[in-house]
Amino acid sequence: GAVVSQHPSRVICKSGTSVKIECRSLDFQATTMFWYRQFPKQSLMLMATSNEGSKATYEQGVEKDKFLINHASLTLSTLTVTSAHPEDSSFYICSARKGNQPQHFGDGTRLSIL
Amino acid sequence: AQTVTQSQPEMSVQEAETVTLSCTYDTSESDYYLFWYKQPPSRQMILVIRQEAYKQQNATENRFSVNFQKAAKSFSLKISDSQLGDAAMYFCAYRRVGNTDKLIFGTGTRLQVFP
Repeated sequence: GAVVSQHPSRVICKSGTSVKIECRSLDFQATTMFWYRQFPKQSLMLMATSNEGSKATYEQGVEKDKFLINHASLTLSTLTVTSAHPEDSSFYICSARKGNQPQHFGDGTRLSIL
Repeated sequence: AQTVTQSQPEMSVQEAETVTLSCTYDTSESDYYLFWYKQPPSRQMILVIRQEAYKQQNATENRFSVNFQKAAKSFSLKISDSQLGDAAMYFCAYRRVGNTDKLIFGTGTRLQVFP
């Protein structure tokens, strides 16, 4: 089946650091990639949608200067949390989709800002 | 706007028994997709089953089946012969038909399976 690889799985860093998370579709070309944030015991909250070669579309309330998304190719999207602070600590999940096929999810990244 | 509602925050079932998880949604679209995703403690999101709204036949995947009632906007998941490995959060999700349309998730149901 389709596989989406997300890296790293766990990040612990100091406040003020910028953190990059990668999302790769390993066996299909993803026309659209999505980035989610999940708080404990809650559902997934969509942060942004990105299409290859174009700017990401951010959901209301998500700071695009804080959460930089780059979708450079049909198999790679990155999320950079700039100048991260403790309130940015969360579980971030990417997913990828080709056309109208089902979305496949990465394993998530647990980000902890000290 | 489309919404997805899961009214059961927690459910429990005995191993080998059957359990049904509820999901309702609201949309003005006539064609769309519905999904159930499973999120075990590892937090990986796993697609359990998918239903296309234009298909009247209920989707099935081994022990998992759905009861899709389009007029009632209901999409419940039935898990038969429950196994300990079925314990997880289950999310119902809706998506319009469109290449870039996003998934809209319900709040989830935590399923516990007792031996």
